[in-house]
Amino acid sequence: GQQLNQSPQSMFIQEGEDVSMNCTSSSIFNTWLWYKQDPGEGPVLLIALYKAGELTSNGRLTAQFGITRKDSFLNISASIPSDVGIYFCAGSLYGGSQGNLIFGKGTKLSVKP
Amino acid sequence: DTGVSQDPRHKITKRGQNVTFRCDPISEHNRLYWYRQTLGQGPEFLTYFQNEAQLEKSRLLSDRFSAERPKGSFSTLEIQRTEQGDSAMYLCASSVTGGSPYGYTFGSGTRLTVV
Repeated sequence: GQQLNQSPQSMFIQEGEDVSMNCTSSSIFNTWLWYKQDPGEGPVLLIALYKAGELTSNGRLTAQFGITRKDSFLNISASIPSDVGIYFCAGSLYGGSQGNLIFGKGTKLSVKP
Repeated sequence: DTGVSQDPRHKITKRGQNVTFRCDPISEHNRLYWYRQTLGQGPEFLTYFQNEAQLEKSRLLSDRFSAERPKGSFSTLEIQRTEQGDSAMYLCASSVTGGSPYGYTFGSGTRLTVV
């Protein structure tokens, strides 16, 4: 099935460092979403973006909806051990609460204590 | 409400057997979605319901896969004649039409292993 291109695939960082990951698509989306998934659990929504150029923060997380509507990035500032997990971007042609989501392959984040 | 509930959490089955998974959505949610997630991949959309109507099923992986939501509440996903390639996590999600994407909630999934 169709997937988004998400990078990097994995990263190891020191606690306290900032993290950046991004997602690109050949298709335009109307909503970009960022999820975190812990082992054995379902994805949990972190941030939702609705408009091209929008920059949204949720605590130490900041995400942006690219101007072209074909990309998005997520930044995590001052990482802590509980940030460990897999981060997924997802795109939607709708308002994010309707229809199917298209997911990237994920960025696995590991933090060195 | 405790969120989206999926049962069982784990299922091991022999190749060729039929399996059925259940999803109980958040009670006021009228939309229910099924996704499949294989190792190292993001979730892949399979099908969704609005109330009892199945509005999209073209993404079901083969005619061995079917889903129902007979009374617009819980849903079941059935895989007939399982194959080893069906081994994956099957995720259910629910939402309200027109609601915030923060209300699009995933369950913890059913992990299927076909041996």
